[in-house]
Amino acid sequence: KAGVTQTPRYLIKTRGQQVTLSCSPISGHRSVSWYQQTPGQGLQFLFEYFSETQRNKGNFPGRFSGRQFSNSRSEMNVSTLELGDSALYLCASSLVGGGNTGELFFGEGSRLTVL
Amino acid sequence: GQQLNQSPQSMFIQEGEDVSMNCTSSSIFNTWLWYKQDPGEGPVLLIALYKAGELTSNGRLTAQFGITRKDSFLNISASIPSDVGIYFCAGQLIQGAQKLVFGQGTRLTINP
Repeated sequence: KAGVTQTPRYLIKTRGQQVTLSCSPISGHRSVSWYQQTPGQGLQFLFEYFSETQRNKGNFPGRFSGRQFSNSRSEMNVSTLELGDSALYLCASSLVGGGNTGELFFGEGSRLTVL
Repeated sequence: GQQLNQSPQSMFIQEGEDVSMNCTSSSIFNTWLWYKQDPGEGPVLLIALYKAGELTSNGRLTAQFGITRKDSFLNISASIPSDVGIYFCAGQLIQGAQKLVFGQGTRLTINP
């Protein structure tokens, strides 16, 4: 079974630009969430999607947004990039609706560098 | 917001030694998860704990969900070189929700 797939793995942007990151969850997983990982702040929750609806949102500015498609794939977008947005962005999926649904499975991440 | 205090921040041990790390919180969590992250990779789930007092093993790894629901520990027995990495605890306030609160991580280094 394929794991969580994130693209691109690496990207470099300049301040003021915007970026879109993509995530394909594990087949059958309908819940997708995004996390930002930085050396200073660690892993922080960005938002969670289920059935194309945002269910929960972390404490990030409105420049961070996301969406989920009918096939459960998700994208996140960061507009007007700042230097502090440089981070590893991780997507996680989980099986919702039965069993041990607390288990999140992470992708390898998209490493964003803002210059 | 909620915070998890994970300790120690780093460990330097000899191969074959046992390892212990723990997480504490001021908040009650319904689920505790332990992850391992290798450089350039995403976190990999090691153990999930769902009930207070639960003790769960996964090979040489053993983790427990504290009785107060505010803490958890992870033990690794007979460490081997591939155990090197960063270990994270994560708490889940609502079982099944995807919002996790993570500890700051324990970096494990093993001297062969």
